[in-house]
Amino acid sequence: EVQLLESGGGLVQPGGSLRLSCAASGFSFSSYAMSWVRQAPGKGLEWVSAISASGGTTYYADSVKGRFTISRDISKNTLFLQMNSLRAEDTAVYYCAKVLGYSYYDFDQWGQGTLVTVSS
Amino acid sequence: SYELTQPLSVSVALGQTARITCGGNNIGGKNVHWYQQKPGQAPVLVIYRDNKRPSGIPERFSGSNSGNTATLTISRAQAGDEADYYCQLWDSSTVIFGGGTKLTVL
Repeated sequence: EVQLLESGGGLVQPGGSLRLSCAASGFSFSSYAMSWVRQAPGKGLEWVSAISASGGTTYYADSVKGRFTISRDISKNTLFLQMNSLRAEDTAVYYCAKVLGYSYYDFDQWGQGTLVTVSS
Repeated sequence: SYELTQPLSVSVALGQTARITCGGNNIGGKNVHWYQQKPGQAPVLVIYRDNKRPSGIPERFSGSNSGNTATLTISRAQAGDEADYYCQLWDSSTVIFGGGTKLTVL
């Protein structure tokens, strides 16, 4: 059974940093691209970032480019999102998602999410 | 940048057919995916690459994509289908989501 378990969320002040983790199990982690998607309270889904299976290629939404960094540790089957210079508008539930097809970026498995609140 | 347009809400009578649209410029030339999200839960992939159904998704869910509109069709709608639905695609190295449609089953 595929499992994605996010952690690392919490309350942080504007301008602060946070590192999210997503522990993956039940599939060959090194064979699949992964992504982060967020959802602000009462709002729709917003894509944040994605990383190739090897980790060699990364993609970012304009809203986080230069502030967030996605990475993965294949030896630990873990996906990360380093978030710096956080803003109030980054407040959201952050989901990690497994990519089904690299050329299509369709997400067939999702974690339950971790809440990030940016507030003073 | 590419945009996807969904109606804010769609209503369907119990047992009838619901159609949720996703509009975009020449979207028929792209691969569209659909997600169902119930309150307090993570999204679930219900249709991928226009019309493919993941294992475990009922045959009542189907998809089509042509011209400037992709459509998610839910046949014989059930109370359990009440949820938010999002379309999504990959374009120019960017993942794009539609704004979401709230489906109400009457």
